[in-house]
Amino acid sequence: KAGVTQTPRYLIKTRGQQVTLSCSPISGHRSVSWYQQTPGQGLQFLFEYFSETQRNKGNFPGRFSGRQFSNSRSEMNVSTLELGDSALYLCASRLPTAGVDNEQFFGPGTRLTVL
Amino acid sequence: SQKIEQNSEALNIQEGKTATLTCNYTNYSPAYLQWYRQDPGRGPVFLLLIRENEKEKRKERLKVTFDTTLKQSLFHITASQPADSATYLCALPNQAGTALIFGKGTTLSVSS
Repeated sequence: KAGVTQTPRYLIKTRGQQVTLSCSPISGHRSVSWYQQTPGQGLQFLFEYFSETQRNKGNFPGRFSGRQFSNSRSEMNVSTLELGDSALYLCASRLPTAGVDNEQFFGPGTRLTVL
Repeated sequence: SQKIEQNSEALNIQEGKTATLTCNYTNYSPAYLQWYRQDPGRGPVFLLLIRENEKEKRKERLKVTFDTTLKQSLFHITASQPADSATYLCALPNQAGTALIFGKGTTLSVSS
């Protein structure tokens, strides 16, 4: 079974621009979560999508948004980029049970650098 | 809100020794706790899940304990090898059970 894939792997943008990141989950996984990882804050939950609907949301500003398509692929968008948005963005998929207790399968991440 | 502390950012040990990593949490008591391994430039990989009614769980050279009184989980790697060098993250659910909260991780270095 193929793992979680994320594209692109690396991205350089300038302040004020917007960016779209893509995630393809493991086949059969309908839940996709996005995380931001920085050295200072660690791994922080952005949001989770299930069956094309945002099911849960972390504590990030509205500049961060996402969506999920009918094939479970997900995209994450960050508008009006700030220097502090430089981070590793990870997506994770899992089997869609009610809780988050089943293991999450992470992709390799997209390294975003904002100049 | 829930806080997680992994009490050392870095741990250096010699090959063959047992590595013990600590994860402390505050506020409410979670129903379970997970441990992940992350290598540089890669996403975390799930290792173990332990539930509140389980005192200990083992998987090969890994052992996890969960003390709900102390609000602490210990993660042990026995007979450690240089290949065990990585960052280890603990994670537990938020109070609503809707998302995982991760600790900042402990970076383990095993020298031969």
